[in-house]
Amino acid sequence: DVKVTQSSRYLVKRTGEKVFLECVQDMDHENMFWYRQDPGLGLRLIYFSYDVKMKEKGDIPEGYSVSREKKERFSLILESASTNQTSMYLCASRQGTYGYTFGSGTRLTVV
Amino acid sequence: AQSVTQPDIHITVSEGASLELRCNYSYGATPYLFWYVQSPGQGLQLLLKYFSGDTLVQGIKGFEAEFKRSQSSFNLRKPSVHWSDAAEYFCAVGGPSGYGNKLVFGAGTILRVKS
Repeated sequence: DVKVTQSSRYLVKRTGEKVFLECVQDMDHENMFWYRQDPGLGLRLIYFSYDVKMKEKGDIPEGYSVSREKKERFSLILESASTNQTSMYLCASRQGTYGYTFGSGTRLTVV
Repeated sequence: AQSVTQPDIHITVSEGASLELRCNYSYGATPYLFWYVQSPGQGLQLLLKYFSGDTLVQGIKGFEAEFKRSQSSFNLRKPSVHWSDAAEYFCAVGGPSGYGNKLVFGAGTILRVKS
């Protein structure tokens, strides 16, 4: 089975800090995604990548950037964390017509 | 633009009763449809998916879903609910893998099971 690993389950950061969320997949998938999950809003797409060094904005990219230097790793960066970025962040990968495989999520609290 | 509506935010059913979770979608082409389940503190697990063919699809844990193109719906069903089914359920729509095709999720339905 494909495994998607997010490096941290819980993070607490201060306002203004630069924050890195890491995601690694082990099945050579081309497509990787970062979603944000908030109660009552479901999952909203922040950024996605369809190849190394290729990235596209999703529906809510403001305040975020991403990096994909290697196929297996997709990083989400909060340039200057704010309290409204407190949320659950989910990474996913996909290849072909298979369903997306999600990581367990990182719950980020910005204080 | 593609979108997904899950009309029920919360549903409570008795253990052993049948379940139906509603999902309506908007998509400009033939949709790829998914149902995911999320237990508290966990990531999302794929229950089932529809790409083409038979409109009634079977998934894991005894779930099934029926694609109805005329109603733009993809409702999830289970004949007899177990207490372990209590979780949040997400319907999602997307296209085939490739540039620009992304998955859009509904807001989710929280299922409570009472004994």
